[in-house]
Amino acid sequence: EAGVAQSPRYKIIEKRQSVAFWCNPISGHATLYWYQQILGQGPKLLIQFQNNGVVDDSQLPKDRFSAERLKGVDSTLKIQPAKLEDSAVYLCASSLGPPSYEQYFGPGTRLTVT
Amino acid sequence: AQTVTQSQPEMSVQEAETVTLSCTYDTSENNYYLFWYKQPPSRQMILVIRQEAYKQQNATENRFSVNFQKAAKSFSLKISDSQLGDTAMYFCAFMIYNQGGKLIFGQGTELSVKP
Repeated sequence: EAGVAQSPRYKIIEKRQSVAFWCNPISGHATLYWYQQILGQGPKLLIQFQNNGVVDDSQLPKDRFSAERLKGVDSTLKIQPAKLEDSAVYLCASSLGPPSYEQYFGPGTRLTVT
Repeated sequence: AQTVTQSQPEMSVQEAETVTLSCTYDTSENNYYLFWYKQPPSRQMILVIRQEAYKQQNATENRFSVNFQKAAKSFSLKISDSQLGDTAMYFCAFMIYNQGGKLIFGQGTELSVKP
């Protein structure tokens, strides 16, 4: 079974530029998560989708971050405009759903904002 | 709010020896899951072991076992017969049962296994 795919693996941009990340979850997984992992910290949930609806986006900085999940499969996370503090690894995960919500993670995208 | 604390930023162990990583958490919930994830330099987060809070028996997965103390809100990971491939960041994580699957992670412990 193919795992969670993410692209790109690395991205370097200047502050105030925009960037987008892509995630393809495991086939059949209804729930998709985006986490932000700042260097030296544990991942923090940004947004969670159930199919193509948002379940939790309470920690998403909505003035600059946006995310969508078209047709309940692939998802994109966008940052516009980027700030220096957005430098982090962005992890995508997916799960079948209840009751255990066991999550499978992608390899992540390392973003550096200069 | 739930919090997860890992008080050991770094640890090292000799190959073939045993090491224990500590984790404490805070919650008012009664039904939840606890996890240990491994993140090697490749960044792929891999599930090591999972514990359901309602189970009194400690979970084990081959060389990995946990000591779950619900009253003390403690969840430590023991790695036996450490191998060089165990070198990685280890994260303790918490999830409330059947509430969407949001994981709350600790700060991580960087484990180095030395030959």
